[in-house]
Amino acid sequence: GESVGLHLPTLSVQEGDNSIINCAYSNSASDYFIWYKQESGKGPQFIIDIRSNMDKRQGQRVTVLLNKTVKHLSLQIAATQPGDSAVYFCASMDTGRRALTFGSGTRLQVQP
Amino acid sequence: EPEVTQTPSHQVTQMGQEVILRCVPISNHLYFYWYRQILGQKVEFLVSFYNNEISEKSEIFDDQFSVERPDGSNFTLKIRSTKLEDSAMYFCASTKPGQRNEKLFFGSGTQLSVL
Repeated sequence: GESVGLHLPTLSVQEGDNSIINCAYSNSASDYFIWYKQESGKGPQFIIDIRSNMDKRQGQRVTVLLNKTVKHLSLQIAATQPGDSAVYFCASMDTGRRALTFGSGTRLQVQP
Repeated sequence: EPEVTQTPSHQVTQMGQEVILRCVPISNHLYFYWYRQILGQKVEFLVSFYNNEISEKSEIFDDQFSVERPDGSNFTLKIRSTKLEDSAMYFCASTKPGQRNEKLFFGSGTQLSVL
């Protein structure tokens, strides 16, 4: 079955630094990927998504990189701010268009 | 910005009791979902709903669970006889037409505690 996992449970960075959150997936049939941010007590909030026909997509201060060869996804946050402190989840969907499968989350802690 | 609204924010119930969790998806969205998150764990898919019927469900969504869209705005999740292991945060989500299972917009969740 589909398995989506994260390399590190907690990432601590200094304010102003760039953050990189990594995610591995196991299903080579996955063709859509998405990153969510979850603040304490809130629901997941969409950050950015990418389809498998792309290897990079940029948003406001965020970039998602997709390496299909090694089934790896990363989220880069530029100039990390205290408001970026949250748990970040990657999720994927396969070509069967079944429901999103979420990874286990990485907690990002931004130190002032 | 439109958002998914969930009520109540917290629900405490006794084991064996029925609970109904309520959601108002974003008004022009067509696909509706329930996910749950046990404390400290990943977000897990329960069910998706489209055109007044279930389009997909997970193994978690057994006969004790049901969903309903009783009118044009509400989307509910019913658990008929709650178990201790049903304690979790339950999230409702919805997506735009043409974006089935993509870019889900989530509500803030209902924290269900089964005692």
